[in-house]
Amino acid sequence: DAGVTQSPTHLIKTRGQQVTLRCSPKSGHDTVSWYQQALGQGPQFIFQYYEEEERQRGNFPDRFSGHQFPNYSSELNVNALLLGDSALYLCASSPSLTNEKLFFGSGTQLSVL
Amino acid sequence: AQSVTQLDSQVPVFEEAPVELRCNYSSSVSVYLFWYVQYPNQGLQLLLKYLSGSTLVESINGFEAEFNKSQTSFHLRKPSVHISDTAEYFCAVRAGFSGGYNKLIFGAGTRLAVHP
Repeated sequence: DAGVTQSPTHLIKTRGQQVTLRCSPKSGHDTVSWYQQALGQGPQFIFQYYEEEERQRGNFPDRFSGHQFPNYSSELNVNALLLGDSALYLCASSPSLTNEKLFFGSGTQLSVL
Repeated sequence: AQSVTQLDSQVPVFEEAPVELRCNYSSSVSVYLFWYVQYPNQGLQLLLKYLSGSTLVESINGFEAEFNKSQTSFHLRKPSVHISDTAEYFCAVRAGFSGGYNKLIFGAGTRLAVHP
C-alpha cells in the first residue's frame, strides 16, 4: 500500500516564476492538506482540500493556490515566487475531513534563487 | 488561537540515557495533542497522540507523553534512548473542534541527538 507520494522531490526556480507541486494521497484517503516547512521551523498549514474544494486556509497570500482532482490527488501552485518561498512543502492526507490521523509525504524541497 | 512552544531547540544525550522533550501549548478550547517525528530526508510520522481519556499515552517504540491540563504541557519522555532515535521531534495541537477540520499547529521542533 503506497503512502502519500509527492513530486518532484526537489525543484529549483527563480524569483517571479510559477511552480506546481503534486501529491497523491494514501489509498482510501479523501482529504489533503498542504504545509510549508521553512528551514529550522515546524510545518505551517497552508490549506486543506476535500471534495475538490478548499475547506480551510492558513495565513498565506493568494499567490498560493491549490486544486483537488476527482481521484483525490492534489496540486499546490505558487505564483510570483519570492526568495522566502524556499522551503520543504509537505502534503498530508487523512481518511476524512474530521479524522485526526494525518499521513505525511516526504515533501518537495523548493529552492528559489 | 492555538500555539505551541517547544522549549528546547536541541537536546544532546548519550545512548541509554533518559530524555525529556518539552512542549507547552496555549488554547482557549479543548485540544488534541500530537508528537510527530521526522527522520532526515523523510516526512513526518505520528509518534503518539492525546485525544481524551488517560492523560498518559505511549508509542510502540518506548516513548510516552503526559497531558497536563493545569500546566498546559505535553512533554515527551523516553527512559532509555537509542542511536536510532536521533531525529527532529515536533509537538502539535489541534483545537478540539475547529469546524471539523484537522488543521494542526506545530511547534518549531526539537532536534534530539543521541551520542554513543
